[in-house]
Amino acid sequence: AQSVAQPEDQVNVAEGNPLTVKCTYSVSGNPYLFWYVQYPNRGLQFLLKYITGDNLVKGSYGFEAEFNKSQTSFHLKKPSALVSDSALYFCAVRYTGGGNKLTFGTGTQLKVEL
Amino acid sequence: DAGVIQSPRHEVTEMGQEVTLRCKPISGHNSLFWYRQTMMRGLELLIYFNNNVPIDDSGMPEDRFSAKMPNASFSTLKIQPSEPRDSAVYFCASTLAGSTDTQYFGPGTRLTVL
Repeated sequence: AQSVAQPEDQVNVAEGNPLTVKCTYSVSGNPYLFWYVQYPNRGLQFLLKYITGDNLVKGSYGFEAEFNKSQTSFHLKKPSALVSDSALYFCAVRYTGGGNKLTFGTGTQLKVEL
Repeated sequence: DAGVIQSPRHEVTEMGQEVTLRCKPISGHNSLFWYRQTMMRGLELLIYFNNNVPIDDSGMPEDRFSAKMPNASFSTLKIQPSEPRDSAVYFCASTLAGSTDTQYFGPGTRLTVL
């Protein structure tokens, strides 16, 4: 079985400050990890993914995430937050040999304030 | 590329009526997913298809829900009879089966059952 935990329902950050949205996973086998963002009344948009290789993955809109195998984490980060980053963020996992089925976390609402 | 297309974007119906949601995946994608999103339950996978064949329907809530994929470019999710608790946003997503590619989401259908 595979699972994803996003321990924070909401994260508040001041514009210009660094942001972190946390994600931990549990999966048998090697994980494929994804981050998606959802703006109000929109579908989920892909931000970045980790498949293999470099543990630091860079994605859209200046976001990056670091895969940490020992801590089974895949936290999403951005050095300087923008008000326009305010949205709902989902972490997702699948494992090699598990087909294309993704297991999503419960989502973290990011609010960036002036 | 038009992306994943869903119709209708909004549907309001009365309890007991039949509802049909439609999805056109990205051309060339052979894996299609139906999700439901609510405040209470978050994002849930209902069913997914590979090469038009249902692979995992364990998330389908009950017999009132059914999904079909008659060809590679079209899928339907039907609810008959509908109930107020079915009110949610329903998303369709597609990807290339067996690849490490991400799932691409449609804009969703917001269903309200009165």
